[in-house]
Amino acid sequence: DQQVKQNSPSLSVQEGRISILNCDYTNSMFDYFLWYKKYPAEGPTFLISISSIKDKNEDGRFTVFLNKSAKHLSLHIVPSQPGDSAVYFCAASGDQGAQKLVFGQGTRLTINP
Amino acid sequence: SAVISQKPSRDICQRGTSLTIQCQVDSQVTMMFWYRQQPGQSLTLIATANQGSEATYESGFVIDKFPISRPNLTFSTLTVSNMSPEDSSIYLCSVVMDRGEANYGYTFGSGTRLTVV
Repeated sequence: DQQVKQNSPSLSVQEGRISILNCDYTNSMFDYFLWYKKYPAEGPTFLISISSIKDKNEDGRFTVFLNKSAKHLSLHIVPSQPGDSAVYFCAASGDQGAQKLVFGQGTRLTINP
Repeated sequence: SAVISQKPSRDICQRGTSLTIQCQVDSQVTMMFWYRQQPGQSLTLIATANQGSEATYESGFVIDKFPISRPNLTFSTLTVSNMSPEDSSIYLCSVVMDRGEANYGYTFGSGTRLTVV
């Protein structure tokens, strides 16, 4: 039972354009959502998070949107840069107050010059 | 946010042996987590390491295979016991810190890349 899903295994975007990564979840008890970036041979690096009491959170080039009714969140990166090429994971927590994270499968983002 | 030192960063082990992975945090944290990322897969939680009590294991993971220690609020170890090639994965520790106002900081170690031959 995949509670957090990233249906696009890969995404290719031109440098300078907007990258949009999507994530869906099935468990309505989740109340905190996060995006991580991961390079090979490194641990995940935190990018941005959002609480279920909000529908948008912005931090520099990164914006996360949360649509609770659709159980959907997205990460927007504007403008995309070559250094953004990595695997992006969305994660969720909060089921029954638990702080453990449930991860999606990841999306490999490639930024083309 | 917390800084985590995890070691070893990688190892190649013979099947049937055990490997202990260490995770040191630069501040006291209540909860530490151990995750596994199998090749081409997402991160899966193995267990939650609680200081002063037994670790809490997720479905599919057992203490005999993945014993965990948590002697204090800044340190934890995960042992992968009686290894087989299927245990080849990246193992990561993680901590969470409550920053208030429904704002949690989750930090990961750099991971241990384990190859079992």
